[in-house]
Amino acid sequence: QKEVEQNSGPLSVPEGAIASLNCTYSDRGSQSFFWYRQYSGKSPELIMSIYSNGDKEDGRFTAQLNKASQYVSLLIRDSQPSDSATYLCAVISNFNKFYFGSGTKLNVKP
Amino acid sequence: EADIYQTPRYLVIGTGKKITLECSQTMGHDKMYWYQQDPGMELHLIHYSYGVNSTEKGDLSSESTVSRIRTEHFPLTLESARPSHTSQYLCASSEFGTGMGETQYFGPGTRLLVL
Repeated sequence: QKEVEQNSGPLSVPEGAIASLNCTYSDRGSQSFFWYRQYSGKSPELIMSIYSNGDKEDGRFTAQLNKASQYVSLLIRDSQPSDSATYLCAVISNFNKFYFGSGTKLNVKP
Repeated sequence: EADIYQTPRYLVIGTGKKITLECSQTMGHDKMYWYQQDPGMELHLIHYSYGVNSTEKGDLSSESTVSRIRTEHFPLTLESARPSHTSQYLCASSEFGTGMGETQYFGPGTRLLVL
């Protein structure tokens, strides 16, 4: 079992819609969670971090964490074609190791 | 946000050559990492360091070696490059955030092509 699981996609949404990206993790003791965006051929860039149960909003992005269900998600409101990228979920485990998911590819169609 | 640099950005080299990929960061981060990533594929951790004179192998077996003589510098070396080493190599660094855990910041990457 992988430490962090993501659906590889691609997830296709029309411009202006809400894109919902999901991630599950296996270590129940994990405390820190991150979403990175990676454009094709580029390096990952941090979008958001979340540490507490509930929602955290930053502009068009909302991260949601549910530790009981070991589930973290990223919502992108008013999706734009420029949001088309691969989104990586990352988790710091209870043993202080950093794990990345394999990423979900998002396509936003004009 | 970290300032992290990688050189070269692109490298085309023949089989059997020795190469060193450079990674430097100016934020004084203790932790540094090397990842290998093929196009469209997931990140694979190949080496990491938690400080000067500390290096560990990652989850993916790699024929490369690393050193950490200075906090800001974490070079990766391939003694004899092979076509199977063709990939993108990403360097990252992080520090412990107070009560907030660790955040990794990535360099721009080095694209390696071994002929």
